[in-house]
Amino acid sequence: DAGVIQSPRHEVTEMGQEVTLRCKPISGHDYLFWYRQTMMRGLELLIYFNNNVPIDDSGMPEDRFSAKMPNASFSTLKIQPSEPRDSAVYFCASRTDTFYGYTFGSGTRLTVV
Amino acid sequence: DAKTTQPPSMDCAEGRAANLPCNHSTISGNEYVYWYRQIHSQGPQYIIHGLKNNETNEMASLIITEDRKSSTLILPHATLRDTAVYYCIVRRSNNDMRFGAGTRLTVKP
Repeated sequence: DAGVIQSPRHEVTEMGQEVTLRCKPISGHDYLFWYRQTMMRGLELLIYFNNNVPIDDSGMPEDRFSAKMPNASFSTLKIQPSEPRDSAVYFCASRTDTFYGYTFGSGTRLTVV
Repeated sequence: DAKTTQPPSMDCAEGRAANLPCNHSTISGNEYVYWYRQIHSQGPQYIIHGLKNNETNEMASLIITEDRKSSTLILPHATLRDTAVYYCIVRRSNNDMRFGAGTRLTVKP
């Protein structure tokens, strides 16, 4: 089991550019979560999916952020246009329907300059 | 979900037991207590969870008081690699996990 796989590990982009973060959950996991971590705000839940359907996106900061899960093995988090305040580590996590502990990926460190 | 209170930081000597407290006085009957930890630059790692009874696994033990208003995570023989931020979370089984500030545990030689 390779765990939750996120790519890229690091991303540096210029303000105004589009950024796409990717996540492959553990096979068989029904839930997928996107979190953002900063020093100021800690770990924040952005959005989560159940069986590829978005359930709660109330944590998405604004319309510049969007997330999709086209199939059970892939999800994206897109920021367009990116701003310096979006700089953070973005984590993806997944879990099964019956065990409520989450498995997190290694994260994507995003820097917007 | 009930709110949790944890000390911001704690120290522990290597080889000794680390006891991390968590207060959740507003917990309701169907809410579980979860513990995660985050080692620097890594994603959070699930440790253990429980509802009423004490729980033990290969990583740690979870002691929940009889009134369920507080709990303690015990790392029986702390090592330097246990230095991390430890999060105590209370949630209903089908709710999403929301992290607070946690306790920064430093294990010292």
